[in-house]
Amino acid sequence: AQSVTQLDSHVSVSEGTPVLLRCNYSSSYSPSLFWYVQHPNKGLQLLLKYTSAATLVKGINGFEAEFKKSETSFHLTKPSAHMSDAAEYFCVFGGFKTIFGAGTRLFVKA
Amino acid sequence: NAGVMQNPRHLVRRRGQEARLRCSPMKGHSHVYWYRQLPEEGLKFMVYLQKENIIDESGMPKERFSAEFPKEGPSILRIQQVVRGDSAAYFCASSPSVGLAGSPDNEQFFGPGTRLTVL
Repeated sequence: AQSVTQLDSHVSVSEGTPVLLRCNYSSSYSPSLFWYVQHPNKGLQLLLKYTSAATLVKGINGFEAEFKKSETSFHLTKPSAHMSDAAEYFCVFGGFKTIFGAGTRLFVKA
Repeated sequence: NAGVMQNPRHLVRRRGQEARLRCSPMKGHSHVYWYRQLPEEGLKFMVYLQKENIIDESGMPKERFSAEFPKEGPSILRIQQVVRGDSAAYFCASSPSVGLAGSPDNEQFFGPGTRLTVL
């Protein structure tokens, strides 16, 4: 069965420091994986997606993620956090039945 | 190009009433997905529809919940005889009709959600 696990429910960083949001997946086939961001009381916005092309995927707002098959991971990173990055982030397994991770809430301190 | 539209944005119902949530997909999209987000939780898949067809409703509660996507007009998620536990944000997403149905490569575009409060 397919699944996706976000390893941290909350992450807190200082503005200007790197961001790492962790996601592991389980799949019997090559997955499509997405990262979405949800700002408070807003809908979801796609940050980036992996669909078996390049393993390093660049997204919007300076985010990127690297697909590592050997580690079954798809961690989201950003070199320097901005206050506006504070939001909920979802790692998503794409397929006939989309599976959302539980989410990681990112806090950015001034 | 308007995005996915959902209305109402906020809906308040008393226990036992019916809630009707509407979703208009992006232009050119014929796949619609409904998700429920309970407070402090992630999104849970409910149902996947194409025009006039329910493709996968495995995430729908067995009773009181139904969904449709008619040939004309928006997709409707209906909750009959609402209970307090139905209070949640309900998100609709749509994806393009190109490619295989339910293709994992199809990005889903999300609406702003409807926040249902049951008193």
